[in-house]
Amino acid sequence: RKEVEQDPGPFNVPEGATVAFNCTYSNSASQSFFWYRQDCRKEPKLLMSVYSSGNEDGRFTAQLNRASQYISLLIRDSKLSDSATYLCVVNKGDSSYKLIFGSGTRLLVRP
Amino acid sequence: GAGVSQSPSNKVTEKGKDVELRCDPISGHTALYWYRQRLGQGLEFLIYFQGNSAPDKSGLPSDRFSAERTGESVSTLTIQRTQQEDSAVYLCASSLIAAAHDTQYFGPGTRLTVL
Repeated sequence: RKEVEQDPGPFNVPEGATVAFNCTYSNSASQSFFWYRQDCRKEPKLLMSVYSSGNEDGRFTAQLNRASQYISLLIRDSKLSDSATYLCVVNKGDSSYKLIFGSGTRLLVRP
Repeated sequence: GAGVSQSPSNKVTEKGKDVELRCDPISGHTALYWYRQRLGQGLEFLIYFQGNSAPDKSGLPSDRFSAERTGESVSTLTIQRTQQEDSAVYLCASSLIAAAHDTQYFGPGTRLTVL
C-alpha cells in the first residue's frame, strides 16, 4: 500500500464548479499535512497546510480526519487558473521533517 | 527575495557518464532536501542536509548517487555512471529549519535525460 494515495483524475469541471479531492495516508503517527499545487513542468508550491480543525483560504478549504486517516481539499467557484495537479503531502512520523508526496490529482477547469 | 535556484535546467547525457546537479537554497535556510520526480509520478525523497551534514541519506537509490553541501549553502547532487532509469526531474527544496511544520520551498528542478 502506498504511504499516501490519491485519485489521479483527471477531474474535468466547468468554471464555477465546486470540486473536492480526497487523499488517504497510512502512517497514523503523521502530524503535518499539506496540499501542494504543481503546474505542468513546474515545481510544487505550497497551497495550504491542513490543520486538525480544518482551515479555509479564500475558495479553498482543507479538512483532516485523523480517525479515518484522510485529508480533503475543496475548491469552490473553480477558475481556469486552478487547472493543475494537486499533491497531498504528509510527514513521515510524529516529528519527522521527511515529507511523503502523493502522486497527485489532476484538475482541468474548462471554460 | 530570491528563491531556490537550480542548474542546469536541462541536462542530456549519455549512459555511463557522470552528471552534477547544483542547488542554491534560499539564503539563511539551514535545511536542504533533494527529491526525484519521474514522469507522471510523485516526488521521491533522496537526501536531506542540516547545515553541511547529511543525517539522512536513506532515499539515495544506489551508491552511484552522492551529494554534498558546503558553506551551509550550495549543494551538489552527483550521479555517477548514469543509467536510463535515472532520467527524471531532480528537485531541490530548502526550509528555514528541518521541522515537520516548516514549509519547504522548491526550486524549478533539473530535467535529466539519459540516452
